[in-house]
Amino acid sequence: KAGVTQTPRYLIKTRGQQVTLSCSPISGHRSVSWYQQTPGQGLQFLFEYFSETQRNKGNFPGRFSGRQFSNSRSEMNVSTLELGDSALYLCASSLGQGRDTEAFFGQGTRLTVV
Amino acid sequence: QQQVKQSPQSLIVQKGGISIINCAYENTAFDYFPWYQQFPGKGPALLIAIRPDVSEKKEGRFTISFNKSAKQFSLHIMDSQPGDSATYFCAASPGGSQGNLIFGKGTKLSVKP
Repeated sequence: KAGVTQTPRYLIKTRGQQVTLSCSPISGHRSVSWYQQTPGQGLQFLFEYFSETQRNKGNFPGRFSGRQFSNSRSEMNVSTLELGDSALYLCASSLGQGRDTEAFFGQGTRLTVV
Repeated sequence: QQQVKQSPQSLIVQKGGISIINCAYENTAFDYFPWYQQFPGKGPALLIAIRPDVSEKKEGRFTISFNKSAKQFSLHIMDSQPGDSATYFCAASPGGSQGNLIFGKGTKLSVKP
């Protein structure tokens, strides 16, 4: 069973640019969540998509956006990049319904903003 | 605001010892409490999870203790091994959804041989 796949694994961008990250969930999973991980703030929830609809949203500025396609694949976009956006961006997928459904994480995309 | 507080930040334990990590939460709407283990360069992996309707759950060497009235839960790793050296995160989510996890800041565990 293939795991959660995130692409690319590493990215270097310049301040002011925009970036798109991709996440392919485990087959059959309809929920995809995005998290930002930094040494200072730890793991912070960005947003969750379920069946192409944003179901939950964390406390991040509007520069951070996402979407989910009909095949459950998800993309996250960050516009007008800032140095502070440098982080590991993690995607997690789950069935999205029912009790005790595990959230499986990908290996993340390491974004460096210079 | 930090909704899940985790302690300690780092922990050093001898091989064979017991590792204990504690978490506290404030939001009574939380009803799912997982623990994740993360190795360098990897994404977090679920270790064990608990719901508020039980006070303890054990899976192998890992045990969660849950105190609903105190709004605290803890992870006990029995017979700690060097391979357990990793960063551990507690988390919580409200309303039955596992897609909206609020994480603690993490505990870096080192198990000395």
